[in-house]
Amino acid sequence: DAKTTQPNSMESNEEEPVHLPCNHSTISGTDYIHWYRQLPSQGPEYVIHGLTSNVNNRMASLAIAEDRKSSTLILHRATLRDAAVYYCIRPSGTYKYIFGTGTRLKVLA
Amino acid sequence: ETGVTQSPTHLIKTRGQQVTLRCSSQSGHNTVSWYQQALGQGPQFIFQYYREEENGRGNFPPRFSGLQFPNYSSELNVNALELDDSALYLCASSVGTLNTGELFFGEGSRLTVL
Repeated sequence: DAKTTQPNSMESNEEEPVHLPCNHSTISGTDYIHWYRQLPSQGPEYVIHGLTSNVNNRMASLAIAEDRKSSTLILHRATLRDAAVYYCIRPSGTYKYIFGTGTRLKVLA
Repeated sequence: ETGVTQSPTHLIKTRGQQVTLRCSSQSGHNTVSWYQQALGQGPQFIFQYYREEENGRGNFPPRFSGLQFPNYSSELNVNALELDDSALYLCASSVGTLNTGELFFGEGSRLTVL
């Protein structure tokens, strides 16, 4: 089963860091972990992806456990514009992405 | 560089009708994937097109079909519409077919079946 496990919802205060966890215990050694987010009334938007080591970009950081069975998306300073549904995704086969129900992040002013 | 555009943005159909949704991929992208997103759920993979050929398919019946054109734009066709087909249909473009790259999504076409 290629699905991942995420909490249904999380809350954060504005300007504070947010750690969004994801479990992917059946991931294979060559599968990347991808994170996308979906703002209200929009299509999903790429956030970050990685294979083994931690990854950083202008939007977020991705920390991948050494055994690769879990990962954490880190938003360093949450803003109101970060309120969205965050999806942790692993691929199924060579071309298909399996989305779960994601984590709905609420950012409090 | 234009992003992924989808049309129409909203439409209403009745059961048994047919619908065609359109997607223009981002410049330079040769792969288009279609997803169905029911209310409150994550997107579900329908199929992928690469260089005008279907490259893979999810768990959707044959009445869901597609096309990709030489300019890499794509259509999703759904025949014999059912109430459960009501959803947001998302198109995503990418370069190549491997799942190591970034998908660029459009804003979707919201279909309501009455």
